[in-house]
Amino acid sequence: SQQGEEDPQALSIQEGENATMNCSYKTSINNLQWYRQNSGRGLVHLILIRSNEREKHSGRLRVTLDTSKKSSSLLITASRAADTASYFCATNTGRRALTFGSGTRLQVQP
Amino acid sequence: GAGVSQSPSNKVTEKGKDVELRCDPISGHTALYWYRQSLGQGLEFLIYFQGNSAPDKSGLPSDRFSAERTGGSVSTLTIQRTQQEDSAVYLCASSLAPMDSGNTIYFGEGSWLTVV
Repeated sequence: SQQGEEDPQALSIQEGENATMNCSYKTSINNLQWYRQNSGRGLVHLILIRSNEREKHSGRLRVTLDTSKKSSSLLITASRAADTASYFCATNTGRRALTFGSGTRLQVQP
Repeated sequence: GAGVSQSPSNKVTEKGKDVELRCDPISGHTALYWYRQSLGQGLEFLIYFQGNSAPDKSGLPSDRFSAERTGGSVSTLTIQRTQQEDSAVYLCASSLAPMDSGNTIYFGEGSWLTVV
């Protein structure tokens, strides 16, 4: 199975609501990253959180990391229709390539 | 260039034919990665190049897949004798330095391969 597993697989919310996505992983990590993908094309890096960090903010994004539970969450506040996309977590374990989860498909209804 | 460039954007090929997918990384990026993404799935690591070091080929699914990187820049992913299960988006990415230094990677828009 994948190193990172997102939950839920799909999420539908109304514009203005908050969206929370979770990611669990299996092995120790150096850092964890969240990416966004529109329409099955290229991924865009959103935020990186290192293993010694617990929380990080970037605009409307808030990421938490709990290394004891091997889990992370991505919170998007005050969602917009333009936030509709798939969101992936990716872990850096010290090997040379990121390992991606299967993603959460977010639909924000206007 | 300003970003990672991939070509072709879309490729339809007949089963059994060979295909070549090209990736131009961001100028100055020493690390280059290939991933594969099947419809609605996550990304599957294929191969990683770092400078002049031997590539990490641990993700290549079979010996029909190969990749090279010429002059430390452009990379070509070759799939020989394509099969229908090879249909996927092939994503290339590059980073300024190796991943274990904490750098983020930048993705191209992908090459959508359909084998009929």
